[in-house]
Amino acid sequence: AQKITQTQPGMFVQEKEAVTLDCTYDTSDPSYGLFWYKQPSSGEMIFLIYQGSYDQQNATEGRYSLNFQKARKSANLVISASQLGDSAMYFCAMREGGNFNKFYFGSGTKLNVKP
Amino acid sequence: EADIYQTPRYLVIGTGKKITLECSQTMGHDKMYWYQQDPGMELHLIHYSYGVNSTEKGDLSSESTVSRIRTEHFPLTLESARPSHTSQYLCASSDYRGHTEAFFGQGTRLTVV
Repeated sequence: AQKITQTQPGMFVQEKEAVTLDCTYDTSDPSYGLFWYKQPSSGEMIFLIYQGSYDQQNATEGRYSLNFQKARKSANLVISASQLGDSAMYFCAMREGGNFNKFYFGSGTKLNVKP
Repeated sequence: EADIYQTPRYLVIGTGKKITLECSQTMGHDKMYWYQQDPGMELHLIHYSYGVNSTEKGDLSSESTVSRIRTEHFPLTLESARPSHTSQYLCASSDYRGHTEAFFGQGTRLTVV
């Protein structure tokens, strides 16, 4: 079974609007971490935001927030006030408490911000 | 800024050549990873290491090999490159704590002709 599922291969958003990128995960471990990364066309992976399974509050980092719904096993990334520079691939990832050795990545979502 | 470095950034090489992709980190991280990624596609874990002298194969079978003789260094070797090895290779590291992210190098784009 896929550990991380991203069902949106591509998304478009108008500049200055908000956009939500979906991510669902599968684990039976009560302790885990969820991460979002941005990959511009240049290829590097940029860490955006982290959510721990025991965190009570949704994580926020500037224009990025994570909509964490534990019972639904979803960890959607919300980007507010989109900018042209947000156009990139976005990957959701998970690290399980019983196996902190591995990061599991989703297949990614290609976000295009339109002027 | 992450202190993890990959060389070379770009490599074009002929079929049958032996190549080594270098990855070094200065953060003292125990855990290191190699991912293979085709353009615009998902990342596939091909190797990882818990620490010095420990290496494991990842979820995607790969003809490459790795070594971990020093904490900071995790090179990947292809004994005989083939066109099917053309891809981007990303190296990453993390510490042992589950709430910390993986830091990535800038990647090596390999083309085998």
